[in-house]
Amino acid sequence: QKEVEQNSGPLSVPEGAIASLNCTYSDRGSQSFFWYRQYSGKSPELIMFIYSNGDKEDGRFTAQLNKASQYVSLLIRDSQPSDSATYLCAVNIRRGSYIPTFGRGTSLIVHP
Amino acid sequence: NAGVTQTPKFQVLKTGQSMTLQCAQDMNHNSMYWYRQDPGMGLRLIYYSASEGTTDKGEVPNGYNVSRLNKREFSLRLESAAPSQTSVYFCASIIQGMNNQPQHFGDGTRLSIL
Repeated sequence: QKEVEQNSGPLSVPEGAIASLNCTYSDRGSQSFFWYRQYSGKSPELIMFIYSNGDKEDGRFTAQLNKASQYVSLLIRDSQPSDSATYLCAVNIRRGSYIPTFGRGTSLIVHP
Repeated sequence: NAGVTQTPKFQVLKTGQSMTLQCAQDMNHNSMYWYRQDPGMGLRLIYYSASEGTTDKGEVPNGYNVSRLNKREFSLRLESAAPSQTSVYFCASIIQGMNNQPQHFGDGTRLSIL
């Protein structure tokens, strides 16, 4: 089992819809969770981070964390074609110290 | 303020050649990382340096060496390049307190080994 799991997709949604991206992780001691967006040929850029159970909202983005079930999700409301990208989930996993560990990423396609 | 700078941006090597990928950050960050990204594989950690003077292996260290030259610079060396090392390499850094800080990434080095 990979330490951080994501469905590779592609996830295809129409413009204006809600896109829901999910991530599960194996280390119950993980405290920090990040979502990065990566456009083709570019480097990852941070869009959300969350440390506490519950929801965290930033504009059209909402991160949701459930530590008991060991999953973190990202909701994108009013999806736009410009949101089409790969979304990477990262979790700080304990290996002695905490090491940022990435899932394989979910490809999102928002079609007009 | 350049952030994280990687050089070169592109490189083509022949099997068996060696080269060093350079990474420098100007944000006074303590921790630095090298990842490789292959299609459908996400980012895989090669080596990291939690602080100046320390380096540790990540998930896929074989075939690579690193040097934390000073607080700013963290280089990745391929001693004898192999086609399996064809990939996009990203350097990243974190200010401190590794447990709760996001990473800042460089633009990547696209490496092809023939």
